[in-house]
Amino acid sequence: GAGVSQSPSNKVTEKGKDVELRCDPISGHTALYWYRQSLGQGLEFLIYFQGNSAPDKSGLPSDRFSAERTGGSVSTLTIQRTQQEDSAVYLCASSLGREAEQFFGPGTRLTVL
Amino acid sequence: AQSVTQPDIHITVSEGASLELRCNYSYGATPYLFWYVQSPGQGLQLLLKYFSGDTLVQGIKGFEAEFKRSQSSFNLRKPSVHWSDAAEYFCAVGRENTDKLIFGTGTRLQVFP
Repeated sequence: GAGVSQSPSNKVTEKGKDVELRCDPISGHTALYWYRQSLGQGLEFLIYFQGNSAPDKSGLPSDRFSAERTGGSVSTLTIQRTQQEDSAVYLCASSLGREAEQFFGPGTRLTVL
Repeated sequence: AQSVTQPDIHITVSEGASLELRCNYSYGATPYLFWYVQSPGQGLQLLLKYFSGDTLVQGIKGFEAEFKRSQSSFNLRKPSVHWSDAAEYFCAVGRENTDKLIFGTGTRLQVFP
């Protein structure tokens, strides 16, 4: 398909385990974003990649969270030593760049037991 | 700090009735403003956006929004609601020189036949 895809769609893990969430942006989109949507909360910005520039990590809630974007395309969000408060839907979006519409993926629902 | 407030957590309307969803923002400069809709099990979809120019913005699915600088508001309206409009609606502000979006906590719209 032509949209943003994310995998897995659902992930259940035990507290303390590491998880990796994957995002495939729309081909040709130079900007990629990760957001987190917790129950009863709005969407919270996590990290932003734009081309070859250094990522904007200002939204990452702790050093347990990290993200990479390889080859300017696929991105992986890694959460180490997961905690129950990490349970949320993690959304990825991509765009053609500044001032362009962000297209969102369906999200990965993470449940930490 | 920038923020977005959606004062109505849940709104119920009858099909065919008019709709107005409120959004207030806090931002020092001219904001980039967005409305997104999230249907159950779906990703976020952009309804409309305001960057500059005409303060009344037309979007998809018959929605419109009006930017009022004096009131720091960007309310979403639709003259006649359809049952398929039942979803969660998010207002967001984009910060100057960046694409990071700050979202409100959302308004859940329920439509009765």
